[in-house]
This record gives sequence, structure tokens and C-alpha cells, in this order.
Amino acid sequence: AQSVTQPDIHITVSEGASLELRCNYSYGATPYLFWYVQSPGQGLQLLLKYFSGDTLVQGIKGFEAEFKRSQSSFNLRKPSVHWSDAAEYFCAVGIGGGADGLTFGKGTHLIIQP
Amino acid sequence: KAGVTQTPRYLIKTRGQQVTLSCSPISGHRSVSWYQQTPGQGLQFLFEYFSETQRNKGNFPGRFSGRQFSNSRSEMNVSTLELGDSALYLCASSFGTRGEQFFGPGTRLTVL
Repeated sequence: AQSVTQPDIHITVSEGASLELRCNYSYGATPYLFWYVQSPGQGLQLLLKYFSGDTLVQGIKGFEAEFKRSQSSFNLRKPSVHWSDAAEYFCAVGIGGGADGLTFGKGTHLIIQP
Repeated sequence: KAGVTQTPRYLIKTRGQQVTLSCSPISGHRSVSWYQQTPGQGLQFLFEYFSETQRNKGNFPGRFSGRQFSNSRSEMNVSTLELGDSALYLCASSFGTRGEQFFGPGTRLTVL
């Protein structure tokens, strides 16, 4: 069965600084990879996805992620964070694009310092 | 285009009762999935429906069930509620069986 690890439970970043959230997955083949963001009391919003092709994917709100097969990683990055980026971030893996149910990491709570 | 809607948004029940949650997918989406989110276990997949058929099911007891109607709307039911069922229940829809999933705001269930 597939699994997802987000090693950082909390991350604190100063506003305007760069951000990298780590995600490692375990799956025998190339998975479908996603990053979602959740604000307090809200559902999940899709930031970006990787299905195939270019390993550097661009998403909404200035986020990007890079798929590295050799490291089984799909890290999320943003060059300059804004206070509104404070939220919970979830990495997820799907083996059918989502049809078989997404497996989520435990999430990383992002705190933005002024 | 309207997003995924879930009703009710908040619900309080007592142990032993049953509850039904509703989800309306994005128009044109035929796949609906349900997830449970708790602080301890995180986000866990419950089940997925496509064209009124349950295609996949996560590792949850039989007290958790669901169905999908011909208009793709879905309901999930939890019988004989336990304290541990307190959670945010999220519904997600996708166009087909291999598409990205769009999530609703969730139903916050509290079991007393």
C-alpha cells in the first residue's frame, strides 16, 4: 500500500522568505501526486498536481513542486510567502488519479511571522 | 460553476444514534469520495462512488456506509455512533474516475 510522509509537523517562516515543504511517498510505481491546502474550518483546496511529464509543476498562488523519482519526493516550494499562506498543507498520493482514494500525509502547519 | 456543497455543516449527536450526511458534487462530476479527518488519524479515505456504484472502500467498520443517487449526489450514513466518530467529514468530487478531486467544506460531526 502507498504511504506519504511529511516530516515537518510545523514550520515557521518570515513573511517574504522562501518556503519548502517536504513530502516523501512510498509506492511501487509512479504515483499521482497532489498538494492541498486547508485553512481553518475549511475544506481542501488543490494547489497543484503531478500526473506525468515535466517534473516541475506550477500551481496556484505562486506555488510549485518538483517530482524527484530517485528520492521519492514531491516537495512544495514558494519563493516568497505572504501572511495569507498560513494554513495546513497536505501532500497526497493517488494510484488512479484519485479514484482509488487519496492517501494523505499528516500535514504541515505553516506559520508566517511578520 | 458552483463547488462541492455539503450539508449540514455542523452536527451534534449522542452515542448510539445514527447520522446521515449529504454531498452535492460539482455539476457534471460523477465520482464522489468521502474522507474522515481527525487530529489523531489525519485524513482517511472512507469510500468512493461512481455512477451509483461503490468502487472502493477504505478500512472502516460496516457502521459507515454510503450511497450515490442518479444525479450524482451522495450520502453517507454512520450508525450506532461512537465518541471516536467525532470528526470533519469531507466529500470530494471529480469528473471521472481518474481526475483530480475537488473538496467541499466538510461536515463537522460531534458525538457526545
